[in-house]
Order: sequence, then structure tokens, then C-alpha cells
Amino acid sequence: DSGVTQTPKHLITATGQRVTLRCSPRSGDLSVYWYQQSLDQGLQFLIQYYNGEERAKGNILERFSAQQFPDLHSELNLSSLELGDSALYFCASSVGQAPTEQYFGPGTRLTVT
Amino acid sequence: AQSVSQHNHHVILSEAASLELGCNYSYGGTVNLFWYVQYPGQHLQLLLKYFSGDPLVKGIKGFEAEFIKSKFSFNLRKPSVQWSDTAEYFCAAYGGATNKLIFGTGTLLAVQP
Repeated sequence: DSGVTQTPKHLITATGQRVTLRCSPRSGDLSVYWYQQSLDQGLQFLIQYYNGEERAKGNILERFSAQQFPDLHSELNLSSLELGDSALYFCASSVGQAPTEQYFGPGTRLTVT
Repeated sequence: AQSVSQHNHHVILSEAASLELGCNYSYGGTVNLFWYVQYPGQHLQLLLKYFSGDPLVKGIKGFEAEFIKSKFSFNLRKPSVQWSDTAEYFCAAYGGATNKLIFGTGTLLAVQP
């Protein structure tokens, strides 16, 4: 157990819908990262928040957004869902701003039908 | 652009065979290197990391990796694999001009008993 929690574990939804994925970092970690893992794209970095502020951005679509709250948990919002958004979404956390030693959560498997 | 390459996509070995998984990175300047492992149905876990110092890094479960700066490589090794090493292995790098952890495409290792 890495100490990073993610909910829900599984999510099945229809195209065009909007979903919210939630992540709680390890105690004491200030950075939260979101990744998308799919068979064709591999593990792709989406976005990082550090202590409530956006720190780095990767291949995140405009339909996706994220935020980190004062209690340091983070949410990833995915809207206007497409079939191609079906993937495993991982959250990770680390102590500082630099994306060095990251601890990953168990992931949320999103299926868009 | 910074990138991480893993040339072996799928490796099949028998128990007790030796393992070497290739990883090459394209970064200028200081680089931090990592190997993560993802066991079936589980989240990513850190196997080992290299920041500086001794280029031969030892990690958990008998794994080690060698940083060879002249070859831009950070290959993962294990002298004798076990069936329980069946997993997907990801090389990752952070450094240079980027503040993102870039993952390779992963190598799926299957160890046959």
C-alpha cells in the first residue's frame, strides 16, 4: 500500500458524459500528479499540482481539468467523454515540487461506452 | 524533446535466467533516473532510482541498474529471475529543461516456471 488513495476504482459511463476522479496523496506529500495509462499511448503524464497550484502540464486535453484543494486532495474532471478516453487513470504524490520519487495510487479504470 | 526509450517491449524468460532490460534517455545535463514496476492488477511501485554518485544502483527484490552517461543508458538487471517477477517494467527520467517525469513505453516481462 503506497498511502495514495483513489476513488472510484471503476467507472463506466457513456460518451458525452462528465466524470470526476478523486485522489488523496500520502500524508505529508504536497504534490499530486495525474497520469493516463492506455494500451496504445502507454503512461502519459497529464498534470501536476503542488500545494494547490498547477506546477506542470503534460498531454492533458482541454476537455480535462484538475484541481488540488486546501486539504491537498485532488480531483481530475473529464468532460465530453469519448471512447478513446477509456483508460486507467493513476494519481501519484511526492513530497516536493520536483517529480522525483513518486508514490502511485491503485488507479481508476474508466470505461466509456 | 526529452524522451525515454525502452527497446524491449515483451520479454519471456525461464526462471533462474538473467535479465537485462534496456533503457535509453535523451536529456542534456543532470538527469534523475528511475525504474518502476507494475505487477498484474496493481499500481506502479518504485524499484530503484539514480540521482548522483555510484552509477551502480541497487534496488528492491534483487534488482540493480547501471547508469552509463556516455551511452545515455540506465539498464535494469537481475541475475536470476523468479516467476513472481512477472510484471511490466517502466523506465522514467526527470531532468534537463523539463519538470516532468517522462516514462518509457514499458517492457512486459513474463517469467515461465
